[in-house]
Amino acid sequence: AQSVAQPEDQVNVAEGNPLTVKCTYSVSGNPYLFWYVQYPNRGLQFLLKYITGDNLVKGSYGFEAEFNKSQTSFHLKKPSALVSDSALYFCAVRRPSTGGGNKLTFGTGTQLKVEL
Amino acid sequence: DAGITQSPRHKVTETGTPVTLRCHQTENHRYMYWYRQDPGHGLRLIHYSYGVKDTDKGEVSDGYSVSRSKTEDFLLTLESATSSQTSVYFCAISVPGTGGMDTQYFGPGTRLTVL
Repeated sequence: AQSVAQPEDQVNVAEGNPLTVKCTYSVSGNPYLFWYVQYPNRGLQFLLKYITGDNLVKGSYGFEAEFNKSQTSFHLKKPSALVSDSALYFCAVRRPSTGGGNKLTFGTGTQLKVEL
Repeated sequence: DAGITQSPRHKVTETGTPVTLRCHQTENHRYMYWYRQDPGHGLRLIHYSYGVKDTDKGEVSDGYSVSRSKTEDFLLTLESATSSQTSVYFCAISVPGTGGMDTQYFGPGTRLTVL
């Protein structure tokens, strides 16, 4: 079985400050990890993914995520937050496998609020 | 939205009626998925398809059925809608990437209210 935990329902940060949205995972074997963002009344948009290699993954809109195998974490980060980054963020995991439908397991989401 | 459309975008229906939601993709990808999104639960997989007429259950499949008669269309049917199926439904496709690493892309969603 695979699972994802996003321990914070909401994260508040001031514009211009760095932001971190936390994610921990549980999966057998090496994980594939994803971050998605959802703006109000929209579908999920893909931000970035980790497959293998560098532990720091760069994605869209200036976001990056750091994979830490020993802590089973994949935290989303941005050096300087913008008000327009305010949205709902989802972390997801899947096992690298040849079958099973490439199914993703999602966390419950973290609402990011960036204030002036 | 990665060439994915969903219809209808909004629907209000009554308990006990059947409802069908449609997902259409323009790129002929093999894998398609139906999720529901509820507060406090994130996204949960209802059913998925790995080809025409090839489907399988996800974690919350009770009360739902699916069909895929063409590569581009994936239908989700609520056989007899209940208030617990009030939710936002998302369709997704899996786009192949390097190293066999697919990425899922999502449609705009359908907001379903069951009265």
